Amino acid sequence: NAGVTQTPKFQVLKTGQSMTLQCAQDMNHEYMSWYRQDPGMGLRLIHYSVGAGITDQGEVPNGYNVSRSTTEDFPLRLLSAAPSQTSVYFCASSTGGGVTEAFFGQGTRLTVV
Amino acid sequence: RKEVEQDPGPFNVPEGATVAFNCTYSNSASQSFFWYRQDCRKEPKLLMSVYSSGNEDGRFTAQLNRASQYISLLIRDSKLSDSATYLCVVDDQTGANNLFFGTGTRLTVIP
Repeated sequence: NAGVTQTPKFQVLKTGQSMTLQCAQDMNHEYMSWYRQDPGMGLRLIHYSVGAGITDQGEVPNGYNVSRSTTEDFPLRLLSAAPSQTSVYFCASSTGGGVTEAFFGQGTRLTVV
Repeated sequence: RKEVEQDPGPFNVPEGATVAFNCTYSNSASQSFFWYRQDCRKEPKLLMSVYSSGNEDGRFTAQLNRASQYISLLIRDSKLSDSATYLCVVDDQTGANNLFFGTGTRLTVIP
């Protein structure tokens, strides 16, 4: 039972580069989300999706894009990496948004130099 | 003002001690409340949901005070394995029911 799988676990990017963080879940959850976690800031919502084909912005969406073509996958794309995007990124899924348990991936530690 | 506020700690307590964490939230319309546990360099995992009537799971007791917009977590008979960061989490009461996370309270249980 894989749950939520994120790749890669670690990544170093140069300023201006683009990349995609992958997230897949095998629990048939409708709701998926991306958070970033910075020291002293807690987890902040970047983008979320309530089902295939539907995405919306969270608290800190600038510099990121998402798509949800299938129920299972919810990739996060960094358009032009900046040092301010150095963070730990977590993908999460749940059956019903904030009313049910959220299952998190193991996280991606991203450093932008 | 932050949606969810917690004392970041750290709390350093001896094994066997009882420790309590508190959290306040700003949205009076919030309906869902949780405590998540996050071990160092790991992902958050649900510890327990918090209900209006209060709930207990073994050594852990969670309580909610809606009038004061206050949530608490009590850990009795602390174990070394309880060392972690505890995140207070509240729903935002939008249509999608997104979650707001507190910054977490760090607990270290000392032998």
